[in-house]
Amino acid sequence: DGGITQSPKYLFRKEGQNVTLSCEQNLNHDAMYWYRQDPGQGLRLIYYSQIVNDFQKGDIAEGYSVSREKKESFPLTVTSAQKNPTAFYLCASRTPRTGNYGYTFGSGTRLTVV
Amino acid sequence: QKEVEQNSGPLSVPEGAIASLNCTYSDRGSQSFFWYRQYSGKSPELIMSIYSNGDKEDGRFTAQLNKASQYVSLLIRDSQPSDSATYLCAVNTWAGANSKLTFGKGITLSVRP
Repeated sequence: DGGITQSPKYLFRKEGQNVTLSCEQNLNHDAMYWYRQDPGQGLRLIYYSQIVNDFQKGDIAEGYSVSREKKESFPLTVTSAQKNPTAFYLCASRTPRTGNYGYTFGSGTRLTVV
Repeated sequence: QKEVEQNSGPLSVPEGAIASLNCTYSDRGSQSFFWYRQYSGKSPELIMSIYSNGDKEDGRFTAQLNKASQYVSLLIRDSQPSDSATYLCAVNTWAGANSKLTFGKGITLSVRP
C-alpha cells in the first residue's frame, strides 16, 4: 500500500540535543511538508519542498532544518536552538499539480523534551 | 500573514442533528479549500475538498464555498457519535510554483447519543 511513514512514533529529547524525525513516502509525490501541532493551535508549517534538492521555510522554521536528497524522503532535524520542541509533528505530501491538490498525512511523531 | 479563522468551539449537537462548521480566510488569491477530520492523537484525514463557488455534497457531508465573502463551511447531516472529532479548515495558496496549506485552529465537535 502506498503511503507516508513517519518514525519514530514517540521520541524523547534531552535539553541541548539534536534529534531527527524521519518521513518517507512511496506515493511518487513531488511536494512534501512538515507541520507542527500544539494543543489548540492547529497545524503550523515548518518547512516544505516542491522538488528534490530544494526547500523553503514555512511560518515557524527557526530551530529546525531539513534536507531533500531523494524524492521519497524529507527528514526534519529539531536542533537545540528550538526552545520549545515538545509537540506533535506531522509530515505530508501532495498529489501532482494537476487535478486534486489534496495532502496526505503520515501518522505523526510525538516529541517530548525530558 | 495569510490567516484561516474557524469559529470557536467546542460544538455539541445531538445525534441525528445537522452540525455546521464555519471558516473564513484572508487571502483572496486562495484557490482550493479543504476540510480535514482529526481524531484525538491521530493525524488529519481529508474528508472534503472544494474549488468552485457553491455546494459540493458527498454522502452526509456538504461543503459550501463563497469566494466573494471569503467563507467556506462544512455541514454534517444526520450527525453520528463517530463524527465526534476536531475539524480543521485548510486553504491552499500558490506563490509561483510553490503551494502550501494554511490551517485554522480547528473546532472540536461532540455528537451526543
